[in-house]
Amino acid sequence: DAGVIQSPRHEVTEMGQEVTLRCKPISGHNSLFWYRQTMMRGLELLIYFNNNVPIDDSGMPEDRFSAKMPNASFSTLKIQPSEPRDSAVYFCASSFVTGAEAFFGQGTRLTVV
Amino acid sequence: KQEVTQIPAALSVPEGENLVLNCSFTDSAIYNLQWFRQDPGKGLTSLLLIQSSQREQTSGRLNASLDKSSGRSTLYIAASQPGDSATYLCAVNWNAGNMLTFGGGTRLMVKP
Repeated sequence: DAGVIQSPRHEVTEMGQEVTLRCKPISGHNSLFWYRQTMMRGLELLIYFNNNVPIDDSGMPEDRFSAKMPNASFSTLKIQPSEPRDSAVYFCASSFVTGAEAFFGQGTRLTVV
Repeated sequence: KQEVTQIPAALSVPEGENLVLNCSFTDSAIYNLQWFRQDPGKGLTSLLLIQSSQREQTSGRLNASLDKSSGRSTLYIAASQPGDSATYLCAVNWNAGNMLTFGGGTRLMVKP
């Protein structure tokens, strides 16, 4: 398996623009997670899906952030409108079953100017 | 509040040394704990997963231990090599949903 695949790897956008980050989890994994990493706050969980259903979105910072998982092999994280303080590395992770090892993608480095 | 702390934030050692990285957590009722490695500009690579019922896990030169009662885990690296230079992250899962809370990481440099 190719692992968790994220796209794009890098994204530079202007403030106010819509940004969509994409993730393909490992085939067969039923849990998917979006994390954000910044120098100031480290790694933080944004949202967690189980069997394509959002279970916990308490980490989503604002209504400008939204995430979807239309099927077991694809998820998106959207920021609309984007702001400079959204600049960070966004990671997607998946795991096979509850309590199993989590596998991370390579991340998307987002820069909002 | 459930928090994870890693001390020190940075560590530099000469090649060949055995070393211990520390992780502490505030609530002992954990589900499991996972150690990751992160190279600069890269994603996280899973190193070891310890379930709450386990005391330790080993993989090659790496050994992770878990002491829930004291709220601590250690990652032991034997015979360190320059290739071990990276940031090591500890993450705790406090519920069955596998939502991880991360420590701030320890940035390790192994000098040749």
